[in-house]
Amino acid sequence: DVKVTQSSRYLVKRTGEKVFLECVQDMDHENMFWYRQDPGLGLRLIYFSYDVKMKEKGDIPEGYSVSREKKERFSLILESASTNQTSMYLCASSQGLAPGNEQFFGPGTRLTVL
Amino acid sequence: GQQVMQIPQYQHVQEGEDFTTYCNSSTTLSNIQWYKQRPGGHPVFLIQLVKSGEVKKQKRLTFQFGEAKKNSSLHITATQTTDVGTYFCAPTTTSGTYKYIFGTGTRLKVLA
Repeated sequence: DVKVTQSSRYLVKRTGEKVFLECVQDMDHENMFWYRQDPGLGLRLIYFSYDVKMKEKGDIPEGYSVSREKKERFSLILESASTNQTSMYLCASSQGLAPGNEQFFGPGTRLTVL
Repeated sequence: GQQVMQIPQYQHVQEGEDFTTYCNSSTTLSNIQWYKQRPGGHPVFLIQLVKSGEVKKQKRLTFQFGEAKKNSSLHITATQTTDVGTYFCAPTTTSGTYKYIFGTGTRLKVLA
């Protein structure tokens, strides 16, 4: 059974803190993604990676960075958390390089920044 | 950022009624995917449509891709409480205009 796991289901941080969200997939997928989900806005892509150490900006990369040192692991970093980064963060992975391939999602991390 | 609109944003139906959500694009699409997210859950892939005018069925769910490949719909016949959730389209274009984006979603509530 394919699996994408995220390090935390719920996280509470203070403004200005550095925050790390971790994602691991066990499907040997090339692509990994970070989205944030907010009511009425759907899922918005923050960053994606198509290979180890490779990354591309999505639609809303400002205030975020990512790291992919190993194929199975993709980390999202909030350098200095702000209240407008309170959101649900979803990690996903997909096979191959074509953008239309099925994405497998993790359970999500609900981040609250106070 | 880019957004793909889905209509309606919310829909409440009585159990047994039909439901349809629409995904509209201003750009010709190469394919489109549909996902379902149950309350408190994560998006799960339902189906992919590739061909112009394509119609696919999964039990009570019917997915359609427009002839011009600019829109798509998901129709549920005789809704059940298990259909509750948010349905997202995820369109893709060969030009890269749409790449890894999702529609705004339609949240379905089924009243027993």
